[in-house]
Amino acid sequence: SAVISQKPSRDICQRGTSLTIQCQVDSQVTMMFWYRQQPGQSLTLIATANQGSEATYESGFVIDKFPISRPNLTFSTLTVSNMSPEDSSIYLCSVEDRARRVTDTQYFGPGTRLTVL
Amino acid sequence: QKEVEQDPGPLSVPEGAIVSLNCTYSNSAFQYFMWYRQYSRKGPELLMYTYSSGNKEDGRFTAQVDKSSKYISLFIRDSQPSDSATYLCAMSEGSGGYQKVTFGTGTKLQVIP
Repeated sequence: SAVISQKPSRDICQRGTSLTIQCQVDSQVTMMFWYRQQPGQSLTLIATANQGSEATYESGFVIDKFPISRPNLTFSTLTVSNMSPEDSSIYLCSVEDRARRVTDTQYFGPGTRLTVL
Repeated sequence: QKEVEQDPGPLSVPEGAIVSLNCTYSNSAFQYFMWYRQYSRKGPELLMYTYSSGNKEDGRFTAQVDKSSKYISLFIRDSQPSDSATYLCAMSEGSGGYQKVTFGTGTKLQVIP
């Protein structure tokens, strides 16, 4: 298993500002993922972040809005830029389950609860 | 039509009841089926996964997949108040390289003591 921590756990931000969310894993993993979870909606994949390469973004998400860094095998950051109230959500970091890679199962962090005023 | 449909609930049951949670899906290429449990203000944690059709049992939990009907279920026997959480179904094509996982919206379960 993998233990994942996220910082901050929650934040309240003003419109137009940016917030960087950190994700730390207790073991080395190749694949890390960033999700958004909005009330009443399914977990939505924002991007996949592999160490040593550019993040791969899903349809509807762009690098200018959600820049991601992946400097090593245990750490990643997601920045939510130029925020608007529509960005209010829970942001979750997850990592691959290396022991069961073929199943695509993942371990999730506790999430960052973001409110934009 | 969403790729994965899941009744959001909430579902409220008395302690000891058998709980049935379900999802339907439209993508016939899905091969791996997962159930995650998410407690309030926590991240999802993997509960069970199954490959293709059939049943899988783990303690009080049974996962069932019917690919012909594109329908999956999670049964919880002898439900406990500690089972109160949101249950997310998830699916992937699992073709070898890491594949995108599609999640349901989650069903909120409350087990009343």
